Amino acid sequence: DAKTTQPTSMDCAEGRAANLPCNHSTISGNEYVYWYRQIHSQGPQYIIHGLKNNETNEMASLIITEDRKSSTLILPHATLRDTAVYYCIVRVDFDNAGNMLTFGGGTRLMVKP
Amino acid sequence: DAGVIQSPRHEVTEMGQEVTLRCKPISGHDYLFWYRQTMMRGLELLIYFNNNVPIDDSGMPEDRFSAKMPNASFSTLKIQPSEPRDSAVYFCASSRQGAFEKLFFGSGTQLSVL
Repeated sequence: DAKTTQPTSMDCAEGRAANLPCNHSTISGNEYVYWYRQIHSQGPQYIIHGLKNNETNEMASLIITEDRKSSTLILPHATLRDTAVYYCIVRVDFDNAGNMLTFGGGTRLMVKP
Repeated sequence: DAGVIQSPRHEVTEMGQEVTLRCKPISGHDYLFWYRQTMMRGLELLIYFNNNVPIDDSGMPEDRFSAKMPNASFSTLKIQPSEPRDSAVYFCASSRQGAFEKLFFGSGTQLSVL
């Protein structure tokens, strides 16, 4: 699986959009980009994933560059409850392979009032 | 569904004692994973099961660690004997088989070995 690089920490004002970048320059054509987050004292929580098209769900939007070497997770209106560590993960999806994910260091997002 | 259920939530034990962590995955999920999280090493995959069968245990740190899944609704992670360096948060996660499935994590067990 491709390696990812994320900033260690970021701040965001409450109510504003939080844009979390992830670099995955060695990504291969069949690898997906996943985003998870971990709120303090809880287990990681799935947010969104994509292959090459931009994706949006009730939690966030995922923007993947055309060359797929980087992506941005967007929380459109950050709240204090979005304060968490955000993990960007790249992996291949196979029906017959394990679904395990390797979590790197992530970005610690602090949403401030 | 209640989600992935782990017990106990907190465990404090003395070095040398046996520790057993428990996990109930989401009903219908084919995969079960055990992770360990520490400040130094982050979140590490220890072992995972598919349909109750251990598939990859390469992340299990030592022979002191063992995991079982006797049926589709229950798994245990055992440490015997426990050591202070085993202190960590242990997470269980489950998922369905498929190309776009995601992991659902439990709330974790905070283990402190004194």
